Amino acid sequence: EAQVTQNPRYLITVTGKKLTVTCSQNMNHEYMSWYRQDPGLGLRQIYYSMNVEVTDKGDVPEGYKVSRKEKRNFPLILESPSPNQTSLYFCASRRQGRDNEQFFGPGTRLTVL
Amino acid sequence: AQSVTQLDSHVSVSEGTPVLLRCNYSSSYSPSLFWYVQHPNKGLQLLLKYTSAATLVKGINGFEAEFKKSETSFHLTKPSAHMSDAAEYFCVVRTDRDDKIIFGKGTRLHILP
Repeated sequence: EAQVTQNPRYLITVTGKKLTVTCSQNMNHEYMSWYRQDPGLGLRQIYYSMNVEVTDKGDVPEGYKVSRKEKRNFPLILESPSPNQTSLYFCASRRQGRDNEQFFGPGTRLTVL
Repeated sequence: AQSVTQLDSHVSVSEGTPVLLRCNYSSSYSPSLFWYVQHPNKGLQLLLKYTSAATLVKGINGFEAEFKKSETSFHLTKPSAHMSDAAEYFCVVRTDRDDKIIFGKGTRLHILP
């Protein structure tokens, strides 16, 4: 089944404790991205990657890192999480090209205490 | 710069009555436009997309949207609401120039029995 998977789905952590949220897609998509969703703000893009070893900042990159060593994986790293990073995070992937839809993962709900 | 505005943060309709969710966009280049739906505690699912073919686009679950360039609008409609339509809906624009994807802030649709 074609899908985007994220792990973990739920995470509660404390300020300053490094964490990684994994994202994997099995559709051989070139483009992957991370979003955060906050009430009243919709989805805002954190980082995106147009292919292996190519990453770029989205609208809200501060406090996050990503890597794209393999085509299928695009982990999101929070080196020193803070409470303002409490949010719902979505990973997405799609083929290159303007008409192609994005496929979203199920989301990761992160709480930073 | 491109942007997308969803004119209503909440819309309430009675079951069996028409649904109208409004979306206006701003783009200097030919846009691709999408509507996504997010049911409670779920990920995002594509409803429909406009990609410069027919201006009236039909999607899943009886939804459709019409691209009106003169009005820079891409409103989502459905003739008869069903209880299962209760969800949050996001209008999304993507442009050729930089392949940037922008989400609207979402419209929460409530269905009254």
